[in-house]
Formats: sequence, structure tokens, C-alpha cells
Amino acid sequence: QAVVTQEPSLTVSPGRTVTLTCGSSTGPVTSRHYSYWFQQKPGQVPRTLFYDTSYRQSWTPARFSTSLLGGKAALTLSGAQPEDEAEYYCLLAYGGLGVFGGGTKLTVL
Amino acid sequence: EVQLVESGGGLVQPGGSLRLSCTASGLTLNNYWMNWVRQAPGKGLEWVANTRPDGSDEYYVDSVKGRFTVSRDNAKNSFFLQMNSLRVEDTAVYFCLTSRGYWGQGTQVTVSS
Repeated sequence: QAVVTQEPSLTVSPGRTVTLTCGSSTGPVTSRHYSYWFQQKPGQVPRTLFYDTSYRQSWTPARFSTSLLGGKAALTLSGAQPEDEAEYYCLLAYGGLGVFGGGTKLTVL
Repeated sequence: EVQLVESGGGLVQPGGSLRLSCTASGLTLNNYWMNWVRQAPGKGLEWVANTRPDGSDEYYVDSVKGRFTVSRDNAKNSFFLQMNSLRVEDTAVYFCLTSRGYWGQGTQVTVSS
């Protein structure tokens, strides 16, 4: 089964930009992986930020964006806010199978 | 308002069975792939299984193959996970997740003697 890799932790200063990435052990991430990005805060249900590579949920702040960058899926946060501190997970589809990354703990400090 | 409500979790002994349900309101499930995702205490998210909108195919993570079965009843706007031969390591909160990115609130499954 494929392995999906994310940075275990990142720190960003308020107002600055940070990019989280999501790589695949099988090769470049493409639109055929239908990548998802989720945000989870402690004790809360995950919430979807983006699905199917680039579709934004209605509740996703405009400061979040996605792309396919250097063979990986990327989530860019432009102008980090304290409330963006959370765990971020990507999910990739391999045919019908899904595989989550291990998550990135984002600290806004 | 879209709402997904899971039910059926609980405490079960190793080797036992549970059937989880996910019922939707505010959206029609037969338009979406439906997934089960779990999260063990203090751990990350793990994709468990899914099925196509018409229920024609099912996919499973290796650790549950042969023990778990997904199904759906589009007429009842519901999605299910039959879990047999449960193991201690199946202990987790189980969520349903649509391909559109909607989550249920989760149901706790605890496997313990």
C-alpha cells in the first residue's frame, strides 16, 4: 500500500506564509489522486478545507489555497492567523483506495 | 444544512461484532463515494473503507480486509460498516466521510475484554 508523507511539524509566524506538502511513495501526486486537505483542532471533528485537488469548501478561508507543486500536493496558508494552529491531514486516492498522510502539526507562533 | 449522523458504536469484546450506520440529511448520498475513516486515541486519521455511489465496488485498508464490510442503502440515504472479528487495535472513533468532504460527528468503538 502507498505511503503518503507530510511534514510532521511546521511553525509559522502570524501574518506569514507557510506551505504544507503531501507526497506519495508511488510517484508524483497528480489530479488523479483527487487530493483532500483537512484541518483538525484538538477534540474536534476534522473539517475539510479542499476536496478533489482544488475544490474549496464554503467555510474555507480565502487565505488557504492548494496546488500541485514539485510532484506533491501543497496547501499554502498566506497570512497565518492564531486560529489556524491545528493538525492538517492530506488524503490521496489510489484507484478506490484512500491513504492519509501522517499529518502536519502547524504552530502559529 | 448537511448532516451526517453515525451510530452503532460501543464497547465490545475481542472477536465480537458491531454494525455502524451513517445517515444523511441535507444531501443525497447516492451522488457520492462514501468512506469510513477512523482515529485511534492520540493518533492520526486512518482511511478504512469506501464504496462507489452505486455500491458496485468496495475498497478496504489491508488491516480490515475479510473482517469489515461496507454497504449502503441509497433509498434510506444511509451507509454502513459491518465489523466482525474485532481486535483491540480497532479501537477508535469512526467517522463517515463523503467524497464531497462532509464528515459525521463520529462514533466511538472500543474493543476490550
